[in-house]
Amino acid sequence: LAKTTQPISMDSYEGQEVNITCSHNNIATNDYITWYQQFPSQGPRFIIQGYKTKVTNEVASLFIPADRKSSTLSLPRVSLSDTAVYYCLVGDGGGAAGNKLTFGGGTRVLVKP
Amino acid sequence: DTAVSQTPKYLVTQMGNDKSIKCEQNLGHDTMYWYKQDSKKFLKIMFSYNNKELIINETVPNRFSPKSPDKAHLNLHINSLELGDSAVYFCASSQEIFNTGELFFGEGSRLTVL
Repeated sequence: LAKTTQPISMDSYEGQEVNITCSHNNIATNDYITWYQQFPSQGPRFIIQGYKTKVTNEVASLFIPADRKSSTLSLPRVSLSDTAVYYCLVGDGGGAAGNKLTFGGGTRVLVKP
Repeated sequence: DTAVSQTPKYLVTQMGNDKSIKCEQNLGHDTMYWYKQDSKKFLKIMFSYNNKELIINETVPNRFSPKSPDKAHLNLHINSLELGDSAVYFCASSQEIFNTGELFFGEGSRLTVL
């Protein structure tokens, strides 16, 4: 079962770039890396997913090195509304066992004015 | 239109009672899940159903019984509630059971057992 490790919390200021690195040393060959964002009193919301190299969408970028043992979520020019918990997770191999996406404790990002 | 909706949003009850949480998704997805989020914000999968069939049943006390009457609904019934069952329970759905694609979560049901 792939396990993830990410910082417990990070502080930033409006307009800065926030980079959150997640370690997943035991990632399996067919696992994807997915990041979710959770605001208080809401369910997690999908941000971005990747398998290798770099993925970018309108919200964030995801950098994955060749060995795939870590990944970095990059949030450009954060605003106060980006204050949330960010979860990094990897799949459990899928297949007949089904989807057991495992969430860790997440990283609490606090964006200050 | 809420994609994944669960009711009730808040539930306060006494130890020993039985309660249910309902979940419905209007996304046409085949797979639905129940997750439990504890006070430390860890999200742990409890159950997964694919097209009404139980796929994942993690180490959950058998006081917890999911029921999927059709692929758009996944309900969670909890018998003999205990203090440790207090948590936020999230329902989610995905298009298929594999580890690509995204999970769509409901807003959660906060259960408090007194």
